[in-house]
Amino acid sequence: EVQLLESGGGLVQPGGSLRLSCEDSGVTFSSNAMSWVRQAPGKGLEWVSAISGNSLTTKYADSVKGRFTISRDNSKNTLYLQMNSLRAGDTAIYYCAKEDNNDYYSFDYWGQGTLVTVSS
Amino acid sequence: EIVLTQSPGTLSLSPGERATLSCRASQSVSSRYLAWYQQKPGQAPRLLIYGASSRATGIPDRFSGSGSGTDFTLTISRLEPEDFAVYYCQQYVSSRPWTFGQGTKVEIK
Repeated sequence: EVQLLESGGGLVQPGGSLRLSCEDSGVTFSSNAMSWVRQAPGKGLEWVSAISGNSLTTKYADSVKGRFTISRDNSKNTLYLQMNSLRAGDTAIYYCAKEDNNDYYSFDYWGQGTLVTVSS
Repeated sequence: EIVLTQSPGTLSLSPGERATLSCRASQSVSSRYLAWYQQKPGQAPRLLIYGASSRATGIPDRFSGSGSGTDFTLTISRLEPEDFAVYYCQQYVSSRPWTFGQGTKVEIK
């Protein structure tokens, strides 16, 4: 069973950095492509970044390209999102989500989210 | 980028009624890559439907999805009290991955 737990959110000043983590307590983490999806307060869902199980493929939304870096450590069952040059518009709840394993490109498991607030 | 437009923005219905939610894409989407999610306040989204019409594990059969091309529909046959929530459609295309609709709120009338 996949259980995702995010951490690392908090208050950061504009221009600052933060690293989010997402730990999977399941046994098949290395087989799973993963994504980060965010939700600004009172707004809808926005996909941020994705990484394949073997880390060979990464993808980014245009809004974060060049500022955010996704990575993973399969030995620790952990997904990361390094966020640099943060802006007020990056304020959101950040969810990690697992892609389904049957190439439907849907997200079948989600963490509970971690809140990132960018403000001076 | 494919834009997904959901309608209506808010649907006011009573328990037991039928809910029909629409998701329209700005260009044709593969049915295989169209999904629906439910989100309740303070909770993460939950996958309801994948591949446009397949229910995810544990999803009651009162939820059904249909459609193809640019028009997709999520139907809740008889609303239960726990179904009042916000619903999002989502699509995937390899060149500009994963976009979500803006959501439809189903509220108690």
